[in-house]
Amino acid sequence: SQQGEEDPQALSIQEGENATMNCSYKTSINNLQWYRQNSGRGLVHLILIRSNEREKHSGRLRVTLDTSKKSSSLLITASRAADTASYFCAYRSSNTGKLIFGQGTTLQVKP
Amino acid sequence: ETGVTQTPRHLVMGMTNKKSLKCEQHLGHNAMYWYKQSAKKPLELMFVYNFKEQTENNSVPSRFSPECPNSSHLFLHLHTLQPEDSALYLCASSQDRAGTEAFFGQGTRLTVV
Repeated sequence: SQQGEEDPQALSIQEGENATMNCSYKTSINNLQWYRQNSGRGLVHLILIRSNEREKHSGRLRVTLDTSKKSSSLLITASRAADTASYFCAYRSSNTGKLIFGQGTTLQVKP
Repeated sequence: ETGVTQTPRHLVMGMTNKKSLKCEQHLGHNAMYWYKQSAKKPLELMFVYNFKEQTENNSVPSRFSPECPNSSHLFLHLHTLQPEDSALYLCASSQDRAGTEAFFGQGTRLTVV
């Protein structure tokens, strides 16, 4: 399977703490993206990092990419209760062009 | 609001029914996708359309039949479904097949009884 893997599967933290989620993949990629999904809703694109980039920031989000290890991490700093959601990494395979999703990390931020 | 609209939001259908899911985008995107999201499973890519042509069918059973009449609309026709087909069906679009981010609709929650 080309499916990406994420860990942890579930994460529970207090408001104000940082949350880190990791993603590993198996193929060559053009880019890697992170999405957020509130319960039972559609996915919302958060940030994209290209294969030639190592780190990217957007507001309280920081994404890193290590193509030698085929892994990425998403850091949410100073978390808020409203950050409670599922977070998915997705990578676009450079071989097939497919956008392949990981299994997701469920984040709970307690007020 | 992502610019991708799916209807209906919820659908309950019997195994002998025929129904259709609709997806619409006015983002000027050329690629559209159907994904299936089941509980505790990763998103499964079902179909890809690029410039109205189907470019991918990921071994989806024939009881799911996609249709893309133009680059703004995508349908998923359903017939003789099974209870295990119950899931959240998500439509997405992107600028092109190798494009950047995908924009998702809110999904249709399908229950097959």
